[in-house]
Amino acid sequence: DTAVSQTPKYLVTQMGNDKSIKCEQNLGHDTMYWYKQDSKKFLKIMFSYNNKELIINETVPNRFSPKSPDKAHLNLHINSLELGDSAVYFCASSQGTARGYTFGSGTRLTVV
Amino acid sequence: GDSVTQMEGPVTLSEEACLTINCTYTATGYPSLFWYVQYPGEGLQLLLKATKADDKGSNKGFEATYRKETTSFHLEKGSVQVSDSAVYFCAAETSGSRLTFGEGTQLTVNP
Repeated sequence: DTAVSQTPKYLVTQMGNDKSIKCEQNLGHDTMYWYKQDSKKFLKIMFSYNNKELIINETVPNRFSPKSPDKAHLNLHINSLELGDSAVYFCASSQGTARGYTFGSGTRLTVV
Repeated sequence: GDSVTQMEGPVTLSEEACLTINCTYTATGYPSLFWYVQYPGEGLQLLLKATKADDKGSNKGFEATYRKETTSFHLEKGSVQVSDSAVYFCAAETSGSRLTFGEGTQLTVNP
């Protein structure tokens, strides 16, 4: 059973389109995250939700909007996609930061 | 602010060589510390962790010791295998209920 699952795994789209990435965790964790990994493998936190409440909102363009319908799901919607949005996006969950995160396998977004 | 610094890569070793990847952190208090590993095309997997000073985390032959006096958490393995080729990330629990990650170190092990 996959603990943190993201869909789709690959996403190729044209500039200006709107797309969504979905994330679900079956670990019963209270907190979920979105991270962006650039081409140099650098990981940058974007958002975090704790039990459906937004607790971390980093300096991310307004075109990115997270949505958490329940504590097991955290989706990421991106409007008006730009070339610079191309990256791998990782969802993660945790039950307390001190215990670490469980990551999904990532969504590779390519904007052409 | 809080930060994690890893030794720059890439690192290339021959099979059975010794590995050390340096990691230092800047954070208040006694943060939990982690090493994650990312194999090609996959997400990050927790490799090991330590939650207090002088703790040693270990897994799959890898070890790291929490050194408060030097704010370090260096990753070591005595004999690497080709299957250890991956990107390794050091991380620290930092203020704001988050993990802060280092830049990642690409390890390639040749047969």
